[in-house]
Amino acid sequence: AQKVTQAQTEISVVEKEDVTLDCVYETRDTTYYLFWYKQPPSGELVFLIRRNSFDEQNEISGRYSWNFQKSTSSFNFTITASQVVDSAVYFCALTPYNNNDMRFGAGTRLTVKP
Amino acid sequence: SQTIHQWPATLVQPVGSPLSLECTVEGTSNPNLYWYRQAAGRGLQLLFYSVGIGQISSEVPQNLSASRPQDRQFILSSKKLLLSDSGFYLCAWSRRERDTQYFGPGTRLTVL
Repeated sequence: AQKVTQAQTEISVVEKEDVTLDCVYETRDTTYYLFWYKQPPSGELVFLIRRNSFDEQNEISGRYSWNFQKSTSSFNFTITASQVVDSAVYFCALTPYNNNDMRFGAGTRLTVKP
Repeated sequence: SQTIHQWPATLVQPVGSPLSLECTVEGTSNPNLYWYRQAAGRGLQLLFYSVGIGQISSEVPQNLSASRPQDRQFILSSKKLLLSDSGFYLCAWSRRERDTQYFGPGTRLTVL
């Protein structure tokens, strides 16, 4: 069975601060996919990144970066120089290779204050 | 490009009334389709998914049901709503299993 844990329920930072959102997962599968989604106040989930279990390279996209550490089963998300528009709930998710069972973490609510 | 629609956006229904939420996808064929529920302040729970017309898999036993009458249409229904059915319902699609899922705008359901 799969499980995704986002221990940080809420984080509040001041604009321009860096912030890291933690994600720890459990799975028995050797092949799986990890995701991050952003849910702004409007409610729609916005896809941010997909990473497969064989690719441990860190990824950077603008102010966003992701650190995948298979040894610690973690897939952390860092926002550099945060902005007010980054305020949202962020979800980490995992899906195994052979089915549609995507499991989401409980989400982390990020508030960026001006 | 692909787009996913859900309606209605907001719904207030009395306990015991029926429910029908619709989701349609444009710009792709034979997508995998999903229904999720998000209770207030909580994560997403997968309710149903479908890999093709008439093929529905249920993840959680409940008084909800799903149907896929057409390739790009996915409907969530209930014959009698419960208070616990209140929540935010999200539809999603993907090209195939384990692919990235793309979500619709959601329907906020309040059962009174």
